[in-house]
Amino acid sequence: DSGVTQTPKHLITATGQRVTLRCSPRSGDLSVYWYQQSLDQGLQFLIQYYNGEERAKGNILERFSAQQFPDLHSELNLSSLELGDSALYFCASSGNTGAGEAFFGQGTRLTVV
Amino acid sequence: DQQVKQNSPSLSVQEGRISILNCDYTNSMFDYFLWYKKYPAEGPTFLISISSIKDKNEDGRFTVFLNKSAKHLSLHIVPSQPGDSAVYFCAALSNTDKLIFGTGTRLQVFP
Repeated sequence: DSGVTQTPKHLITATGQRVTLRCSPRSGDLSVYWYQQSLDQGLQFLIQYYNGEERAKGNILERFSAQQFPDLHSELNLSSLELGDSALYFCASSGNTGAGEAFFGQGTRLTVV
Repeated sequence: DQQVKQNSPSLSVQEGRISILNCDYTNSMFDYFLWYKKYPAEGPTFLISISSIKDKNEDGRFTVFLNKSAKHLSLHIVPSQPGDSAVYFCAALSNTDKLIFGTGTRLQVFP
C-alpha cells in the first residue's frame, strides 16, 4: 500500500460527459502529480501541484483541469470526453526531498464509450 | 518531444541471469533519475534512484549506472527472478520538479 488513494477505481462514461477523478496523497506529502497511461503507452505527465499551487504542466489538454485543495487532496477534471481519453489515470505524491521519489496510487481506469 | 526514452519495449531473460534495462535522455539539466516497476492493475512502485552527481547506485540485486556524457542510464538486475517480471519505467526529475517517464520496458524472466 503506497498510501496514495485514488477514487473511483473504474469509471465508464459516454462521450461528451465530464468526470472528476480524486486523489488523496500520502500523509504529509505536499506534491501531487497526475499522469495518463493510454494502452501500451508510457506514463504521460499531465500536471503537478505543490501545496495548492500549480508547479509544472505537461501535455494536459485544455479540456482537462486540476486543482489541489487546502487539505492537499487533488482532483482531475476531464470534460467533453472523447473516446481517446480512455486510459488509466494515475496520481502520485511526494515529499519535498528533492530526490523525486513519488508514490503512486492504483489508478483510475476511465472508459469512454 | 520525448525527453526520456526507453527504446526496448520488451526484454526476455532466463532466471538467474542478468537483466539490463536501458534508458536515454536528452535534457542535461535533470537532477535525479529513477526506476519504477509496474505490475498489471497496480500503480508504479519506486525501485531505485541515482543523483546526477553519481555514476552508480546499488541496492541489493538492483544497480543503476549513469553515464552523463552519453546521457544514458541502465538498470541491472542480478540474479533475475521470475517475480521481477513487470514493466520497468525510467524517469527523470527536472530542476523544476517535473517527473518525466519513459515509455517502459516489459521484462519477462523465464525459468
